[in-house]
Amino acid sequence: GAVVSQHPSWVICKSGTSVKIECRSLDFQATTMFWYRQFPKQSLMLMATSNEGSKATYEQGVEKDKFLINHASLTLSTLTVTSAHPEDSSFYICSAQGRKRRITDTQYFGPGTRLTVL
Amino acid sequence: GENVEQHPSTLSVQEGDSAVIKCTYSDSASNYFPWYKQELGKGPQLIIDIRSNVGEKKDQRIAVTLNKTAKHFSLHITETQPEDSAVYFCAAKTSQFYFGTGTSLTVIP
Repeated sequence: GAVVSQHPSWVICKSGTSVKIECRSLDFQATTMFWYRQFPKQSLMLMATSNEGSKATYEQGVEKDKFLINHASLTLSTLTVTSAHPEDSSFYICSAQGRKRRITDTQYFGPGTRLTVL
Repeated sequence: GENVEQHPSTLSVQEGDSAVIKCTYSDSASNYFPWYKQELGKGPQLIIDIRSNVGEKKDQRIAVTLNKTAKHFSLHITETQPEDSAVYFCAAKTSQFYFGTGTSLTVIP
């Protein structure tokens, strides 16, 4: 399979601060990266899709100015939660879809980042 | 757009028994169907996938079957073990991925 990492795995921040989460594809080039949010015991909620070198496409209801996504290279995408508030506390998961032989169709997920905003 | 439904939402089985999770989809253009296992506090991990030109695929204790006519696909886990306990998600892909709502599987020792 393919490996996707996320950093940090856990972050606690004060309300009003910004938090950056990194997502890296370690052994393949990710032409597309996805950011999901997951609440306890619920399914994955797609927030946005980003293609390398292009602006991210946000799902309906997701604030672009609050969740800044950058996909600057084929192996790195970042999600910045700006001016975080307690309601932003959640489990954020990225996934990557690449172009290495049979990896063209599959999304490979990172381990997730637990964000707690105090 | 595509609509993926997953059943059951929770499933408990005795260790050694089989577990079956079913998903239905609505868009006949869906051509790729992965299954993911998510353990508590971790990201989903791909465990098996199937493409629309194949009816069944097996990998040791897990198998997936696809019925394109009926638009449903199923995950089968045989000889379940406690470490199989997790949440399982199905997905269907057209131009993008659509995920099921998840099944929480508990294997009772």
